[in-house]
Amino acid sequence: DQQVKQNSPSLSVQEGRISILNCDYTNSMFDYFLWYKKYPAEGPTFLISISSIKDKNEDGRFTVFLNKSAKHLSLHIVPSQPGDSAVYFCAASAWSGKSTFGDGTTLTVKP
Amino acid sequence: ETGVTQTPRHLVMGMTNKKSLKCEQHLGHNAMYWYKQSAKKPLELMFVYNFKEQTENNSVPSRFSPECPNSSHLFLHLHTLQPEDSALYLCASSQEAGDNIYSPLHFGNGTRLTVT
Repeated sequence: DQQVKQNSPSLSVQEGRISILNCDYTNSMFDYFLWYKKYPAEGPTFLISISSIKDKNEDGRFTVFLNKSAKHLSLHIVPSQPGDSAVYFCAASAWSGKSTFGDGTTLTVKP
Repeated sequence: ETGVTQTPRHLVMGMTNKKSLKCEQHLGHNAMYWYKQSAKKPLELMFVYNFKEQTENNSVPSRFSPECPNSSHLFLHLHTLQPEDSALYLCASSQEAGDNIYSPLHFGNGTRLTVT
């Protein structure tokens, strides 16, 4: 049973527009959520996180929204840039600190 | 340069071979991890070490044997692997201390393993 799901394997957007990546989770014990970004031939790098006591966290062009009642979070990138093209992983942690990852969404930003 | 270094980057081995993957972190972290990424699957946690002590073994077959001699080094010893073990093996580290249990992971670039 996959506890963290990213239902869109891929997303393509035009440069300058908004990219919205979605993530759903099933375990109500998760209370900390992270997004990682992965370029080919590199390991994932941490992008942004949010605690369950918040519903929004912003860092420059990146904003993560959390809807606890729907067990849903999303990552907004605006404006999108070609360098944002990568695989984005959603991860969720419970009190133990271990992260459970989604399958990833491949974002392509077209110039 | 990443603070977490993995060698080798690529490895091809036969099912009867014995090989080891190496990971070194230069970040002063106290926790290290092995993850497996297979095609079209999420990252799977394999092993966790905190302060050199193994705290997690996620039902990993015994043909994978981890070793953590100190907080900066982590090995994954491989023997009699199967073709389905072919995957990207990622090492990560984090700082786990006190209230900061939600420290993000810092990943290496991985070892692409092919078992023939």
